Amino acid sequence: DTEVTQTPKHLVMGMTNKKSLKCEQHMGHRAMYWYKQKAKKPPELMFVYSYEKLSINESVPSRFSPECPNSSLLNLHLHALQPEDSALYLCASSQESGGATDTQYFGPGTRLTVL
Amino acid sequence: QKEVEQNSGPLSVPEGAIASLNCTYSDRGSQSFFWYRQYSGKSPELIMFIYSNGDKEDGRFTAQLNKASQYVSLLIRDSQPSDSATYLCAVLAAGNNRKLIWGLGTSLGVNP
Repeated sequence: DTEVTQTPKHLVMGMTNKKSLKCEQHMGHRAMYWYKQKAKKPPELMFVYSYEKLSINESVPSRFSPECPNSSLLNLHLHALQPEDSALYLCASSQESGGATDTQYFGPGTRLTVL
Repeated sequence: QKEVEQNSGPLSVPEGAIASLNCTYSDRGSQSFFWYRQYSGKSPELIMFIYSNGDKEDGRFTAQLNKASQYVSLLIRDSQPSDSATYLCAVLAAGNNRKLIWGLGTSLGVNP
């Protein structure tokens, strides 16, 4: 089973709202990722968690705050977003084998619109 | 700067033909290469991965890797209209981080 689930599927929020995106995997993977994808562009890495610890932050603005409560769950807390933050937000996971065989599997994404 | 390049397309092939998608990469130390398919409005779906020089076949899909030429390709045999999508090539950067370097994708259209 290579399923990563994400909720909600769609989210519309105002610039003053606080919301959270959720991601879950039950594949026993130990690395989890947040990506942002704009139309006709490849995914853009935001954060990586490895063994529940933040290992990569790609200089993401502080209005995006990741959280990894346990090895199966990943959240992205959103606050004071801008309209240009509207995008498809993707969660992915991988085994974190530490080698060349580490393969990332993506969830269905959350389509975020900031008004 | 590590780069992955793909022809943006669109690539158009008739149903039943072979579609050939190409990707070149700049980091000679790269070890892992992935092809993802993405339908419009959906998330990337893993199609193939390849680590060793040569060919790897899975059903109608064949990935080919040539590390000396820094070139990876994806062949789709007996193309179907349902194969119409954007195909993203991704390369796992050498080193300890888990960062994928992505191409911009090739748009494929299969005409019935």
